[in-house]
Amino acid sequence: DAGITQSPRYKITETGRQVTLMCHQTWSHSYMFWYRQDLGHGLRLIYYSAAADITDKGEVPDGYVVSRSKTENFPLTLESATRSQTSVYFCASSGGTGGAAQPQHFGDGTRLSIL
Amino acid sequence: EDQVTQSPEALRLQEGESSSLNCSYTVSGLRGLFWYRQDPGKGPEFLFTLYSAGEEKEKERLKATLTKKESFLHITAPKPEDSATYLCAVIAGNMLTFGGGTRLMVKP
Repeated sequence: DAGITQSPRYKITETGRQVTLMCHQTWSHSYMFWYRQDLGHGLRLIYYSAAADITDKGEVPDGYVVSRSKTENFPLTLESATRSQTSVYFCASSGGTGGAAQPQHFGDGTRLSIL
Repeated sequence: EDQVTQSPEALRLQEGESSSLNCSYTVSGLRGLFWYRQDPGKGPEFLFTLYSAGEEKEKERLKATLTKKESFLHITAPKPEDSATYLCAVIAGNMLTFGGGTRLMVKP
């Protein structure tokens, strides 16, 4: 089925470890986004990508790395996880002629706990 | 800095009791405003896009409106299945800025 899928759905890791969250979309949307959702802060943009090999920082990029070698995949890596990065992470994509101004469609999230 | 404020934070309604949710914003270069619905454990689900002041969109019991400074999501005769968190977001440039959401609970 077409859509946007995130993996894993749940992840527990320890401080200092590297962890990668995966995002895959089947719509061939040009734009992809990573958000984190925390109580009291709502959804905040971490990084986004306008196309393969083009990425840009959002509101809260520190401690995160992204890459986009293929249009359909947009992994998010925490190089050295910290407790403050415990959160629910959402991936989204948007396409069409309006690019980022088109509605974004979200995955169901990865709940990440860092001990 | 772009800001989006939603009110109220939480709203309890009886089934059939109509009400409105507010989303006020300050943004430079508004390209559009989105409304999303989010159920527990799920990602936000797209509802509406509004691009210019005066625009209105409807879907079932929901109607979204937009002015130059705020948007309203009107819920007519809500049902328990309308219980969810409703999020609004504005887009300026290539980035979406979300409000904190309104948690709606509809009791039968």
